[in-house]
Amino acid sequence: AQSVTQLDSQVPVFEEAPVELRCNYSSSVSVYLFWYVQYPNQGLQLLLKYLSGSTLVKGINGFEAEFNKSQTSFHLRKPSVHISDTAEYFCAVGYSGYALNFGKGTSLLVTP
Amino acid sequence: GAVVSQHPSWVICKSGTSVKIECRSLDFQATTMFWYRQFPKQSLMLMATSNEGSKATYEQGVEKDKFLINHASLTLSTLTVTSAHPEDSSFYICSARLLRTQYFGPGTRLLVL
Repeated sequence: AQSVTQLDSQVPVFEEAPVELRCNYSSSVSVYLFWYVQYPNQGLQLLLKYLSGSTLVKGINGFEAEFNKSQTSFHLRKPSVHISDTAEYFCAVGYSGYALNFGKGTSLLVTP
Repeated sequence: GAVVSQHPSWVICKSGTSVKIECRSLDFQATTMFWYRQFPKQSLMLMATSNEGSKATYEQGVEKDKFLINHASLTLSTLTVTSAHPEDSSFYICSARLLRTQYFGPGTRLLVL
């Protein structure tokens, strides 16, 4: 069965610093991987996705992620964060019927 | 593109009443929609998968008679919480599938008094 582990529950970072949010998955079949962001009291917004092809995926708001099959990882990165990036970030893996298994989330806190 | 709306955004109701939440895909057709529940500071829990024109598939532990799902058209799915109780208070989020990607609505916060 497909599952996702987000290794950090909270990541504090200073504004304009780089950040990496870690995500590892387990799957015995081809995977579809996603990163979503959730701002307080809102739904989830798709940041980026890996379905096939290039392992480096670029998303919205300057985020990117790299699919690493050998390490079963899909870490999210941004070279310079803003205060407005403060939010909850969820990694998810798609499985049969196109349902998603979500990680527990990583809370990114950007401070001045 | 790929916009999903939910209505209402929040609702307060008395214990024992029923509440209906609508999920609409605004600019695409979705044969499959999903309903999730999210508790504070937690991840999303899949409640059910809704397929247009057929019965919903519920996850283990979700009461199908309590959480009624209808997916009558390619752009609308509804979740009805029947005989709501305070423990049903939560944040309910729907998503609609376009190809292999799910697009999420803004969520509905339900408070049962």
